[in-house]
Amino acid sequence: EVQLVQSGAEVKKPGESLKISCKGSGYSFTSNWIGWVRQMSGKGLEWMGIINPGDSDTKYSPSFQGQVTISADKSISTAYLQWSSLKASDTAMYYCARGTGRPPYFDYWGQGTLVTVSS
Amino acid sequence: EIVLTQSPATLSLSPGERATLSCRASQSVSSYLAWYQQKPGQTPRLLISDASNRATGIPARFSGSGSGTDFTLTISSLEPEDFAVYYCQQRSNWPLTFGGGTKVEIK
Repeated sequence: EVQLVQSGAEVKKPGESLKISCKGSGYSFTSNWIGWVRQMSGKGLEWMGIINPGDSDTKYSPSFQGQVTISADKSISTAYLQWSSLKASDTAMYYCARGTGRPPYFDYWGQGTLVTVSS
Repeated sequence: EIVLTQSPATLSLSPGERATLSCRASQSVSSYLAWYQQKPGQTPRLLISDASNRATGIPARFSGSGSGTDFTLTISSLEPEDFAVYYCQQRSNWPLTFGGGTKVEIK
């Protein structure tokens, strides 16, 4: 069974750094992309970026380029989304999702990580 | 960047009725369009890939059609569990983009 398990909810202050994770299981981790999607409260889905753990090919939405960093450690089947300096406007639910195809659609999703940034 | 416009924003229907949701792309995406369902407090779920291919376990009442710039998701007879928000997503070009969503609500 394909599963993506994300790290738990975070509460941070503006200016702090953060790295959240997404661990894949039940499939060959290097055979599919892992993407990240933001959903602000009451709003729609926004694609942030994606990584191919097999070759580390990484792509970002122009809206998020330079704002976040996506990485992966294929030895532990885990992808990461990180911020160096959080803002209040980063408060949102963040989903990881397995991508199939090139470019991909998303066939399996993590449970989401709620990030709250507040002073 | 390809912009996806979904309409209507909200669709008010009764159980048993047919739902027709639209997704229009700002340029051709061929057949590289997916549909997702998201219920309140839940994770998005893939319904349809590449315009018309139902994902594993998706009931036959869900169907997708279209190519180029105009796409439709049809729910032939709404079940109570189908009231949710539906999103389209294109995978024709980078960057990937989602539509703004259509909420299907109980009338």
